[in-house]
Amino acid sequence: EDQVTQSPEALRLQEGESSSLNCSYTVSGLRGLFWYRQDPGKGPEFLFTLYSAGEEKEKERLKATLTKKESFLHITAPKPEDSATYLCAVQTSGYSTLTFGKGTMLLVSP
Amino acid sequence: DGGITQSPKYLFRKEGQNVTLSCEQNLNHDAMYWYRQDPGQGLRLIYYSQIVNDFQKGDIAEGYSVSREKKESFPLTVTSAQKNPTAFYLCASRAKGGLGYSNQPQHFGDGTRLSIL
Repeated sequence: EDQVTQSPEALRLQEGESSSLNCSYTVSGLRGLFWYRQDPGKGPEFLFTLYSAGEEKEKERLKATLTKKESFLHITAPKPEDSATYLCAVQTSGYSTLTFGKGTMLLVSP
Repeated sequence: DGGITQSPKYLFRKEGQNVTLSCEQNLNHDAMYWYRQDPGQGLRLIYYSQIVNDFQKGDIAEGYSVSREKKESFPLTVTSAQKNPTAFYLCASRAKGGLGYSNQPQHFGDGTRLSIL
């Protein structure tokens, strides 16, 4: 059974204090790893897709990386508007469905 | 603008009542999905459909039903058999690319919050 574990469950940062969120996975045949941002009362918003170990993608203050066992979402010099829940999901071979982690709730204080 | 529209935003269910949540997309996506989200939990898959007139059960299908009569629409019915329906329900859709679905993200609507009266 595919498993996705995100850590920490919650993270509080000061504005400008860089950090990383972790997504570790146990799957049989990774086809893609997806990162989403979710604001309270809203649906998840797509951020990145990663396909193979060593791959990196960036968007503004966010950078996602992938190894064979985990992915990191690095947040550089965060701002209060980066506060949200960040979700990680994996797709395995032969299926169109995703398995989601429980998310990391990020709060950035001014 | 293309997107996914879920309605209503808030819904209240009485005991013994079936309720239907609407999901419409104008992205011309082939696959559509329904998820349930509870506080502190990840998204759990209820049902999904990859083609009109066909759908598959997800991990928590009991007490729910769906239909896919049109490509654009994938309504979810929460039946009276679902004893704990209070949750945030999310609909998503996904295009089928050249490599199947693996290189295409799911796109989400803004959800329906269902509560019990």
